[in-house]
Amino acid sequence: DVVLTQSPLSLPVTLGQAASISCRSSESLQYSDGNTYVNWFQQRPGQSPRRLIHNVSNRDSGVPDRFGGSGSGTDFTLTISRVEAEDIAVYYCMQGSHWPPTFGQGTRLEMK
Amino acid sequence: EVRLVESGGGQVQPGGSLRLSCEGSGFPFSQYWIHWVRQDPGKRLMWVSRIDSDGTSTSYADSVRGRFTISRDNTKNRVYLQMNGLRVEDTAVYFCTRESTHWGRGTLVAVSS
Repeated sequence: DVVLTQSPLSLPVTLGQAASISCRSSESLQYSDGNTYVNWFQQRPGQSPRRLIHNVSNRDSGVPDRFGGSGSGTDFTLTISRVEAEDIAVYYCMQGSHWPPTFGQGTRLEMK
Repeated sequence: EVRLVESGGGQVQPGGSLRLSCEGSGFPFSQYWIHWVRQDPGKRLMWVSRIDSDGTSTSYADSVRGRFTISRDNTKNRVYLQMNGLRVEDTAVYFCTRESTHWGRGTLVAVSS
């Protein structure tokens, strides 16, 4: 199975500052159709995961534009331009380019 | 409003069985693939199984293949996960999701003696 490695595992932040989370794959995530199926999820305490980003950089409906995704091949990044209090959560990357779909281990965004 | 509601979790001894149910509403249920994803006590997420829109194609993670069976009844807007031969390592919150865009709140499965 494809292994996704996120870093850091814990990210202390100050409100209003930027934050970036890395997701590295054990193999290229470009699918044979040319697309790259990398998603990012947010999970707040006590809640289910919520998809923020699909296909590397496409924000899902209702997701604030301070969230952005980038990357290609094996290296991907989720960036929050200005962290707000409601962004305190655990973030997961997920790949759907290779069977079975796999998730990163999660990055906990926490208040500094 | 799209809703997915899981049920059927509980505590069971190793080797036991449970049948999870996922009921969908607020969307044309029969047109969507449904997946089961679980989250273990360490908060790791793992994809478990999926079923296509009419139930003719299914897939499983290696760790559950041969023990778990996914099925659906589109007349009842439900997807089921029959779990047999449960192991301690199957302990997790089990979520159903509509193609990763919408998720239920999950149902807890606890396997212990």
